[in-house]
Amino acid sequence: DAGVTQSPTHLIKTRGQQVTLRCSPKSGHDTVSWYQQALGQGPQFIFQYYEEEERQRGNFPDRFSGHQFPNYSSELNVNALLLGDSALYLCASSHGQGHYNEQFFGPGTRLTVL
Amino acid sequence: GENVEQHPSTLSVQEGDSAVIKCTYSDSASNYFPWYKQELGKGPQLIIDIRSNVGEKKDQRIAVTLNKTAKHFSLHITETQPEDSAVYFCACFQKLVFGTGTRLLVSP
Repeated sequence: DAGVTQSPTHLIKTRGQQVTLRCSPKSGHDTVSWYQQALGQGPQFIFQYYEEEERQRGNFPDRFSGHQFPNYSSELNVNALLLGDSALYLCASSHGQGHYNEQFFGPGTRLTVL
Repeated sequence: GENVEQHPSTLSVQEGDSAVIKCTYSDSASNYFPWYKQELGKGPQLIIDIRSNVGEKKDQRIAVTLNKTAKHFSLHITETQPEDSAVYFCACFQKLVFGTGTRLLVSP
């Protein structure tokens, strides 16, 4: 079992650009959540996808959007990048909707915005 | 919204000592409290969790205690080992919020 995988590992973008990050959940999981982790901080919840729909959302602007595919994999899109978007983006998968089921995290994608 | 405070931000102990990390939360509706360990270059890994209907839970060298009245919960690690060195995060789930993390360093 490969666990949760994310791509790419690292990414460098400039302000104003758009970025797409990808996540494949652990085998048997159908729910994907995305988090932003700034340096030295705890993860902050962006949103959660279940059955190809956004089910819950944290306090992030509409520049952050996502998608879940029929195979349960997911993408996180960020438009009009700002310097403050530089962070580690974590994907977590679980079985079933909500946060009460154990979430398995991927290694993250490190995004640097210049 | 929910606010989670975590202390201390750093903790240095000698191998074999005990380590305690404390978190307080503001939303009395929170009812699930997991703890995560994050090693360098890796995503957080769940190490133990507790639900609001339980006051204490133990798993080998790791235990978590919950005081719902005071709205705080703690992680206890006994007989620490160098491989316990990592950043530890508490979290509260009603609305999902993580603490700011504790960097634990266990010296041989």
